[in-house]
Amino acid sequence: GAVVSQHPSWVICKSGTSVKIECRSLDFQATTMFWYRQFPKQSLMLMATSNEGSKATYEQGVEKDKFLINHASLTLSTLTVTSAHPEDSSFYICSAQNPSTDTQYFGPGTRLTVL
Amino acid sequence: DQQVKQNSPSLSVQEGRISILNCDYTNSMFDYFLWYKKYPAEGPTFLISISSIKDKNEDGRFTVFLNKSAKHLSLHIVPSQPGDSAVYFCAATGSDTGFQKLVFGTGTRLLVSP
Repeated sequence: GAVVSQHPSWVICKSGTSVKIECRSLDFQATTMFWYRQFPKQSLMLMATSNEGSKATYEQGVEKDKFLINHASLTLSTLTVTSAHPEDSSFYICSAQNPSTDTQYFGPGTRLTVL
Repeated sequence: DQQVKQNSPSLSVQEGRISILNCDYTNSMFDYFLWYKKYPAEGPTFLISISSIKDKNEDGRFTVFLNKSAKHLSLHIVPSQPGDSAVYFCAATGSDTGFQKLVFGTGTRLLVSP
């Protein structure tokens, strides 16, 4: 069964609105979770590393004020795309790292379409 | 700067034959490599990995080879099955990031025909 879940699986929103994506680790407590973004026919690009109880670490070029990450518990991390614009339309994937094995398990992804 | 490269965007193979997917990297700090399989609109699924202290790792039909001097790795699938049709990503990480940050290649779409 799924180890990591994401909700919603797809979302369509109007430009200027904010969208929250949830990532849940179902089988283990994840101190560290990751958020990736994938454009069509391109690689998965790491956006940020989410650490439970502390601020997320963002990769170069990723606006932390636009992509708000909250890792409030050991099983939940959220990504909020604030004031979304059409160029934010993408496939967002989270992963959770199993602290026992260091293996990253990926969620099914969320397709965001901003009109 | 693409640190992990998969130069073949697609590969077509007949069922029962061998599929060979290639991956090259540039960062000498990478010392752990992974292969993921991905279906459309789904997250990647871990397949197999290899540490830089090894040159081969085998798991059933999947074998990963690592040539550290050439900074090259490959995934062999034999025999290939139609259900193997998917996009395959190689990924790399290193001890400098605590093996946490994965850097992905651009993927190779494998099509296995009956």
